[in-house]
Amino acid sequence: QKEVEQDPGPLSVPEGAIVSLNCTYSNSAFQYFMWYRQYSRKGPELLMYTYSSGNKEDGRFTAQVDKSSKYISLFIRDSQPSDSATYLCAMSGATDSWGKLQFGAGTQVVVTP
Amino acid sequence: DVKVTQSSRYLVKRTGEKVFLECVQDMDHENMFWYRQDPGLGLRLIYFSYDVKMKEKGDIPEGYSVSREKKERFSLILESASTNQTSMYLCASSPLRTGKPYEQYFGPGTRLTVT
Repeated sequence: QKEVEQDPGPLSVPEGAIVSLNCTYSNSAFQYFMWYRQYSRKGPELLMYTYSSGNKEDGRFTAQVDKSSKYISLFIRDSQPSDSATYLCAMSGATDSWGKLQFGAGTQVVVTP
Repeated sequence: DVKVTQSSRYLVKRTGEKVFLECVQDMDHENMFWYRQDPGLGLRLIYFSYDVKMKEKGDIPEGYSVSREKKERFSLILESASTNQTSMYLCASSPLRTGKPYEQYFGPGTRLTVT
C-alpha cells in the first residue's frame, strides 16, 4: 500500500465551479502538507504549504488538513480554464530535516469554458 | 527569481548506453533531488544530496548513481540504460537554512526514452 493515495482523475468541471481535490495518507508522522500544480510539459510548482492540522487560504485556493482522519483537501473556487493542470499532494515528517517528500500520484483537472 | 534548469528536455538513448542527466540551480540551495515521474505512480525519489559530495539513496536508487561536485550542480547517471528506465526525470532543489526544506523548486523535466 502506498503511503499517500490520490485519485488520478481526470476531474472535469465547468468554468466557475468549485474544484475539490483530496489525498489520504497512512503515516501519522507526517506534519508538513503541500500541494503542487503541474502544467503539461512543465515541472511541478508549489501552490500551498500547511503545517499540521487546520485550514489555509490563499486567494481562490483553500487547503485543509485533518490529521485525525489522515486526510487533506484542496479547494479551488471560481475555477478558470487556466487552472487545468495536474495537482499533486506531497507530505513530509517533522523529523525529516532533509526535506524528503512523499508524493501522491496526482489528479488531472480539466476546467471547461 | 528561482530557477532550476535541466540539460535536455527530450533524450533518446539505446539500451546499454551510459546516460548523464544534468541539473543546475541558481538559488544557492543546499538540498537537491532527482525524481522520476510515471503515470499512476507519481513522483518517486531516486537520490538526493544535502551538500557537496554528499548523497543519500531515495526510494528507487537501483540502476542509478549521482554526482555533486559543486553546490549548484547535481547529475544523475544511468550506468547502463534499460527500457524500464524510460520515464520523465525531474530535478528539484530546496533551501535548508530558511527552515522550509520542504519547499522544493523543480526543473522542467527530461523525458528519456530508452530503445
